[in-house]
Order: sequence, then C-alpha cells, then structure tokens
Amino acid sequence: AQSVTQLGSHVSVSEGALVLLRCNYSSSVPPYLFWYVQYPNQGLQLLLKYTTGATLVKGINGFEAEFKKSETSFHLTKPSAHMSDAAEYFCAVSGRVGYGNKLVFGAGTILRVKS
Amino acid sequence: NAGVTQTPKFQVLKTGQSMTLQCAQDMNHNSMYWYRQDPGMGLRLIYYSASEGTTDKGEVPNGYNVSRLNKREFSLRLESAAPSQTSVYFCASSEGGGFGYTFGSGTRLTVV
Repeated sequence: AQSVTQLGSHVSVSEGALVLLRCNYSSSVPPYLFWYVQYPNQGLQLLLKYTTGATLVKGINGFEAEFKKSETSFHLTKPSAHMSDAAEYFCAVSGRVGYGNKLVFGAGTILRVKS
Repeated sequence: NAGVTQTPKFQVLKTGQSMTLQCAQDMNHNSMYWYRQDPGMGLRLIYYSASEGTTDKGEVPNGYNVSRLNKREFSLRLESAAPSQTSVYFCASSEGGGFGYTFGSGTRLTVV
C-alpha cells in the first residue's frame, strides 16, 4: 500500500524567503509523485509531477521538487516566497501500474507568507 | 474548456435526506474519481471508475453509492445523509498513467 507523509501541517515564511515543504512517501514500486496547490474555496491545481527521467522537476509559479529515491522524499521548494503563494499544498503518490491510477494524498501543508 | 464541472457548489441537508452530486468532464478521460476533503486529513478516495461501465470502492465508501452514467458523467449519491458526511466533495478525472488528475471546484455539503 502507498502512503504519503507531509511534515508540518502549517509552515510560515516571510515574503522573499525560501519555501520548503516536506513530503515523504511509502511505495512498494517506483511511484509517480505529484504536488497540488489549493487556494481558498477552490479545487486542486497541479503544480508539478515526477514520472520518469530527471529527478529535479520544475513546475508552475517558480516551484520545483526533487525526487530522492534513497530518502523516499519529494520535497517542494521555491527560492523566494510571494504573498500569492499562500495556500494549502498537497503531496500525492500513485503507482505506475494498477487499476484506476488512484492517487493517495498527504494531509496537506498550509503555507502562510508574512509581509 | 470547462474541464470538470460539479453541481451543486453548496448544499445543506437534514439528517436522513438523500441527494446526488453530479460530475461531468469534457476531456475524454477514461478514469473518474470522488474524494472527500476534511480538515487535517487531506483527500480521501470514496469511489472511482477506471473506465466506463466499472466502479470500485475507495478508502471511505460507506454511506455512498456511485453511477458511471457514461464516459463523461460520474455521480455520487448519499442515500441517507449523516452529520459525519459534512465535507467538501471533489470529483476528478484522469487520462491515467503519470498524467495526474484534473479536479472540479468542489461541492461543500453540510448535514444538520
């Protein structure tokens, strides 16, 4: 079975500071990995994904994440936080094979950006 | 591009009432999903449909039923609503593989 752990339900950074949101996964097979963002009262939007190839993946809005197999991690970073980055972020994992391509989500991390 | 459309956006039910949440996608995706979102618990899968004509239970199926009406539409039914079903419900669709999901904007359901 697959699972996702997001360390820190709330993260607070100052505007212009580094954003680091942590995600560790458990999977018996090489997974697909995703980060989604949810702004208040909206649905989830795909930020970036890792499927194969380069382990450092870039997404929208200046975010990137690195797949580290040895650490079973897929942490999300952004060099300089902007006020508009305030949202809830979800890490998710799915298997490469299997019925229905089900995504398993972490509990989410709420990012607060201070001016 | 409409993507994934959910109706209604908001709903208040009394305990014991029934209702159906509607979901439609226009991206010709094979797979569709229903999740519920509760604070601090992320999104939990209720039911999914890997392809037209098939449905399967997810992590939290009790109290719900689904119908894959055709390739576009996947509905979620609450036969006898309970306060524990107060949540935000999201429908999603996917091409499969590593493409990820496209989500609807959600239905906020309150059961009193």
